[in-house]
Amino acid sequence: DAKTTQPPSMDCAEGRAANLPCNHSTISGNEYVYWYRQIHSQGPQYIIHGLKNNETNEMASLIITEDRKSSTLILPHATLRDTAVYYCIVRVAFLSRAAGNKLTFGGGTRVLVKP
Amino acid sequence: GAGVSQSPSNKVTEKGKDVELRCDPISGHTALYWYRQSLGQGLEFLIYFQGNSAPDKSGLPSDRFSAERTGGSVSTLTIQRTQQEDSAVYLCASSFMGQDTQYFGPGTRLTVL
Repeated sequence: DAKTTQPPSMDCAEGRAANLPCNHSTISGNEYVYWYRQIHSQGPQYIIHGLKNNETNEMASLIITEDRKSSTLILPHATLRDTAVYYCIVRVAFLSRAAGNKLTFGGGTRVLVKP
Repeated sequence: GAGVSQSPSNKVTEKGKDVELRCDPISGHTALYWYRQSLGQGLEFLIYFQGNSAPDKSGLPSDRFSAERTGGSVSTLTIQRTQQEDSAVYLCASSFMGQDTQYFGPGTRLTVL
């Protein structure tokens, strides 16, 4: 799975949009971009994933650049409960994976939503 | 619906004792994973079960660690002769076969004194 780079931390204001960047310059054509988050003292929580088109669900939007070398997770209206560590993970689609199915979490971005 | 559940939520044990941690995956999920997270660290993969296939044990740190999954549902992670470095939060996740989205439980916090 391709390596990802995220800023270690960022602050955002409650009620404002939070834009979380992720670089994945070595991504391959069959690799998806996944986002998870981990709120303090809880297990990781799936947020969203995409291949090349922008995606939106009830939690967030995922914007992937045309060259797929980077992406941005957007929390449209951040709340205090969105304070968490956000992980960007790149991995080959299940059916293309030679072996193993583990998620590899990097350091993530520690997001602090402030009132 | 019900998510992944784990028990106990907290476990304190003495060095050298054996411990068993339990995971109940989401009903219908055929894949089950164990990870651990040491204080301030990222998640470390331990073991993966998929249906009736042989488990992927590549992440188990030593032969003191073992896991089983009975009836394709509940899983137990066993740590024998616990050491202080085994102290961590042990997380279980499950997913549908063929899908990459993993759903995590709340974890078991293990403290080895």
